[in-house]
Amino acid sequence: AQKITQTQPGMFVQEKEAVTLDCTYDTSDPSYGLFWYKQPSSGEMIFLIYQGSYDQQNATEGRYSLNFQKARKSANLVISASQLGDSAMYFCAMRPNTGNQFYFGTGTSLTVIP
Amino acid sequence: NAGVTQTPKFQVLKTGQSMTLQCAQDMNHEYMSWYRQDPGMGLRLIHYSVGAGITDQGEVPNGYNVSRSTTEDFPLRLLSAAPSQTSVYFCASSYRWLAGVGAYNEQFFGPGTRLTVL
Repeated sequence: AQKITQTQPGMFVQEKEAVTLDCTYDTSDPSYGLFWYKQPSSGEMIFLIYQGSYDQQNATEGRYSLNFQKARKSANLVISASQLGDSAMYFCAMRPNTGNQFYFGTGTSLTVIP
Repeated sequence: NAGVTQTPKFQVLKTGQSMTLQCAQDMNHEYMSWYRQDPGMGLRLIHYSVGAGITDQGEVPNGYNVSRSTTEDFPLRLLSAAPSQTSVYFCASSYRWLAGVGAYNEQFFGPGTRLTVL
């Protein structure tokens, strides 16, 4: 069975600090992709970062990095130098090779405190 | 390039009414899907399609129908609306999974439809 778990319903971080949002996944498929999306209060889904299961290095996109630990089946999102505009819901998702479907976690609400 | 478009943005229905949520994409994506988003439950897959003429059920398909007659369009039909279908609905599209091509596998989302069933 494919499953994504985000255990932190809500997180707070001080502006300019770094924060880690946790994500664990479960799949028997050897090939898969991991994604993080941001959903601000306006409601749109914004793609942040992608990690492939065979990628040797952790993905980075600006202030976002993905701490990929394949053996532990975790794909944590790290946001460095938090900004007020980072306050949003964050969703972790997985796309296994078989089936084409995306599987989403329940999300983490991040609040950046000035 | 409009990406993924959805109409309407807001809709209020009475119990028992039917309606169709429209979704279109102009990126020639094979894969399209419908999700509903409810507080605390993330995004749950309703139906999906891997190409014109091919659809399949997701996690929560009951009460919804889909069809895919063209690559571009993937409408979602509510057959007889119920208050439990009050939710935000997202349509999304992507290319079929291709291993090793990175964020090419990204899923693009429409702006969402906020549906209230009274």
